[in-house]
Amino acid sequence: GAVVSQHPSWVICKSGTSVKIECRSLDFQATTMFWYRQFPKQSLMLMATSNEGSKATYEQGVEKDKFLINHASLTLSTLTVTSAHPEDSSFYICSASGHYGDTQYFGPGTRLTVL
Amino acid sequence: QKEVEQDPGPLSVPEGAIVSLNCTYSNSAFQYFMWYRQYSRKGPELLMYTYSSGNKEDGRFTAQVDKSSKYISLFIRDSQPSDSATYLCAMMGGNEKLTFGTGTRLTIIP
Repeated sequence: GAVVSQHPSWVICKSGTSVKIECRSLDFQATTMFWYRQFPKQSLMLMATSNEGSKATYEQGVEKDKFLINHASLTLSTLTVTSAHPEDSSFYICSASGHYGDTQYFGPGTRLTVL
Repeated sequence: QKEVEQDPGPLSVPEGAIVSLNCTYSNSAFQYFMWYRQYSRKGPELLMYTYSSGNKEDGRFTAQVDKSSKYISLFIRDSQPSDSATYLCAMMGGNEKLTFGTGTRLTIIP
């Protein structure tokens, strides 16, 4: 149980284009999902908290107009990187909150490379 | 001072050894304690979860929490090469947000 998937697992795009990453909880409903990014050999950095049916809450320093988050259902949250640039290249990981909100289950991650 | 301190390693031990990974924390509001394993280029995988002081065992893994000393540990018995990964301790208060340690890179030498 508690499986989270992400799609795509790997994406390469040209500078200036937008990329959408999907995060799904496969066998449970998640009212809260989280988006992280991770640079090589560093720990995870929380970007935003996504609650089903409401606007996402962004961490300080994260541009909400650049990283659009939509949590349209209890099993799906999406992250859209708009007008991507090479500095946005990173490993993006989502997680879903457990039933009691006392732990998080992570997806396998999406590696974004912006040329 | 960081809220969560974790020895970054790297740590190399021979196959079959007992591994001890540790984290300390300063925030008394943390209620839930987790250990995640992360392989290269993969998302973190939840290994152990606990919310009370004491020991919790699951197969070769034992998680230990000492709230009075603000100290948590993960022990791996009979370590295997497949245990080679980065181990992250993580803690949560009442806001559902995780605070991570920096991670310890572990290598099990066959």
